[in-house]
Amino acid sequence: GEDVEQSLFLSVREGDSSVINCTYTDSSSTYLYWYKQEPGAGLQLLTYIFSNMDMKQDQRLTVLLNKKDKHLSLRIADTQTGDSAIYFCAETDSWGKLQFGAGTQVVVTP
Amino acid sequence: GAVVSQHPSRVICKSGTSVKIECRSLDFQATTMFWYRQFPKQSLMLMATSNEGSKATYEQGVEKDKFLINHASLTLSTLTVTSAHPEDSSFYICSARDLSTAGELFFGSGTQLSVL
Repeated sequence: GEDVEQSLFLSVREGDSSVINCTYTDSSSTYLYWYKQEPGAGLQLLTYIFSNMDMKQDQRLTVLLNKKDKHLSLRIADTQTGDSAIYFCAETDSWGKLQFGAGTQVVVTP
Repeated sequence: GAVVSQHPSRVICKSGTSVKIECRSLDFQATTMFWYRQFPKQSLMLMATSNEGSKATYEQGVEKDKFLINHASLTLSTLTVTSAHPEDSSFYICSARDLSTAGELFFGSGTQLSVL
């Protein structure tokens, strides 16, 4: 099965908060990442968290890490239409390679 | 931040032809670059790790004779899809590791390959 799992779709109203969840399997992951992909574009690193942290906040973005449950989440406060995109979580495996989830399509409605 | 330029952004070719995709790190040197493939609504799958001055390391199941990788300089890696078939149609993305910034990965904008 997938090493990194995330739900495929999230619909949110403009101004509300979005929460995207992700689970991973490699307990040796050092860094966990969130990437954003807009249509036809490459990936943009949004934020990352070191595995010995349980929370990181960066402006409208909050990352929560539950290492015991291998659960990672990304919260986007005050979601805007420009936040509509696919969001990928990723972990580095024991070889230092990135393993991606399948991506969560976030659609922001007015 | 650092910039990775990927070229072309879109290519349509006939079955049986070869297609070359370029990945350049514009303002940093990258001894290691990565090539990913993405099918619609699926995750990015690592195809190979491109190492400057040496042979690429391919992931299991990726045909190295079909996907030729050359990393001739510290700023350029190329992926050539040889004798392309319709099943090779996909979105290909490269990334490069900037060692000067704790190894952060920067991604190109991707190449949409359509094989007719």
